[in-house]
Amino acid sequence: DAKTTQPNSMESNEEEPVHLPCNHSTISGTDYIHWYRQLPSQGPEYVIHGLTSNVNNRMASLAIAEDRKSSTLILHRATLRDAAVYYCILRPQETSGSRLTFGEGTQLTVNP
Amino acid sequence: EPEVTQTPSHQVTQMGQEVILRCVPISNHLYFYWYRQILGQKVEFLVSFYNNEISEKSEIFDDQFSVERPDGSNFTLKIRSTKLEDSAMYFCASSDQGLANYGYTFGSGTRLTVV
Repeated sequence: DAKTTQPNSMESNEEEPVHLPCNHSTISGTDYIHWYRQLPSQGPEYVIHGLTSNVNNRMASLAIAEDRKSSTLILHRATLRDAAVYYCILRPQETSGSRLTFGEGTQLTVNP
Repeated sequence: EPEVTQTPSHQVTQMGQEVILRCVPISNHLYFYWYRQILGQKVEFLVSFYNNEISEKSEIFDDQFSVERPDGSNFTLKIRSTKLEDSAMYFCASSDQGLANYGYTFGSGTRLTVV
C-alpha cells in the first residue's frame, strides 16, 4: 500500500484557516485520497476525498497537487470543535470494500 | 443524518469470557467493518463483511474472533475467550458501496476492558 506522511501536530487559532499537509509520493494513478478525523473519545469521521481535482464540501476543501504526490486539507475557519486527529489515507480504486489503513495522523490543536 | 449505532458503549469482562459487541449499521449500506484502537495507538482494521460473508480480514482477526449479521439490521463481533490485550475501543463502520470513491460512517465505539 502506498504510504502517507503527515506532521505529528499542528496548532491553529480559532476562526483562522488551517492547512493540513499530506505527502504521498508513491501514490498510484488510481488511488483516491481520503481524509478522516477523530475527535477525542469518538470514532473516526469521514471528512472529504478526491482523485485529481480539488474538492469542496461543507466541512472542508481538499487541494491536490498536480502530480498527486501531496495534498492539503483546508479548514476555512477553525473552531474549537475542529480539534482532532486528522488522517490522510489512500484507497485503491480497484478493490471493493477495501480496508482503511490509518497512520498516526496530525493532532490539530485549536487555540481560543 | 444517519448514524452507525454501537452497544454497549463500555463493557468490562473477565479474562477468558466471551463478549459480543453489537452494531446497527446504516440501513441501506452494504459493506460492514470492524476496527479497533488500543489506547494511545493507531486505529487498526479487523474485518470487512459483504453479502453475508467476510471479504477481508487482518492478521489480528484470528480464530478467537467471529462476525455475524444475524438479522437484517445488526452486525456483531464476538470474541470467544478474551485476553487482557483485547482491551481496546472497537469501532463498527458501514459504507453504501465498498468503492474507493465512497466514505465510511463509523460508530462511536465500544470500550472493552478485560480484567
